[in-house]
Amino acid sequence: DAGVTQSPTHLIKTRGQQVTLRCSPISGHKSVSWYQQVLGQGPQFIFQYYEKEERGRGNFPDRFSARQFPNYSSELNVNALLLGDSALYLCASSLFGSVQETQYFGPGTRLLVL
Amino acid sequence: QQPVQSPQAVILREGEDAVINCSSSKALYSVHWYRQKHGEAPVFLMILLKGGEQKGHDKISASFNEKKQQSSLYLTASQLSYSGTYFCGTEGSGAGSYQLTFGKGTKLSVIP
Repeated sequence: DAGVTQSPTHLIKTRGQQVTLRCSPISGHKSVSWYQQVLGQGPQFIFQYYEKEERGRGNFPDRFSARQFPNYSSELNVNALLLGDSALYLCASSLFGSVQETQYFGPGTRLLVL
Repeated sequence: QQPVQSPQAVILREGEDAVINCSSSKALYSVHWYRQKHGEAPVFLMILLKGGEQKGHDKISASFNEKKQQSSLYLTASQLSYSGTYFCGTEGSGAGSYQLTFGKGTKLSVIP
């Protein structure tokens, strides 16, 4: 079975632009979580979606938004990019989104903002 | 609150053992352990649930002491493939807490 997939793998943007990152969860998984990982740090929680509803949001500005589609895939949007948004963006999927379940991470999208 | 991991970094020779600790100031319901190699996504190692259990995974095991609000990851007879950064992720208490909060990581280097 395919694991979590993310696209694109790499992205270069300039300050002020907007970006959309995509994630497809493991087949059968209904929950997707997004994390931001800056160099040298652990992943930081951005959003969790379950059954197309936002179920949790981390300490990120409103420039960050996300949605989940009927097929459980998800998009993360970041508007008005800042240099500090440069990071590895990870998507993790799980069956029901409980933190007592295993979350499986995708390969990530590496975003560079110039 | 972000869990605190120790040590920050450790260098081992093949065959040596290591312990990585993860402690929290909040009550814990679960602890997740991941290993991440440079440029790759975190890979799930194990999850420990409330109950003070110990789990094993080949030569890697972990314990969870909910009273002390801490978990430890034990790597025995280390192999070169164990190199990477280890992260613990914790879930806080209370209903609706669906997010994992990760520590800053422990960088493990295994040398021949």
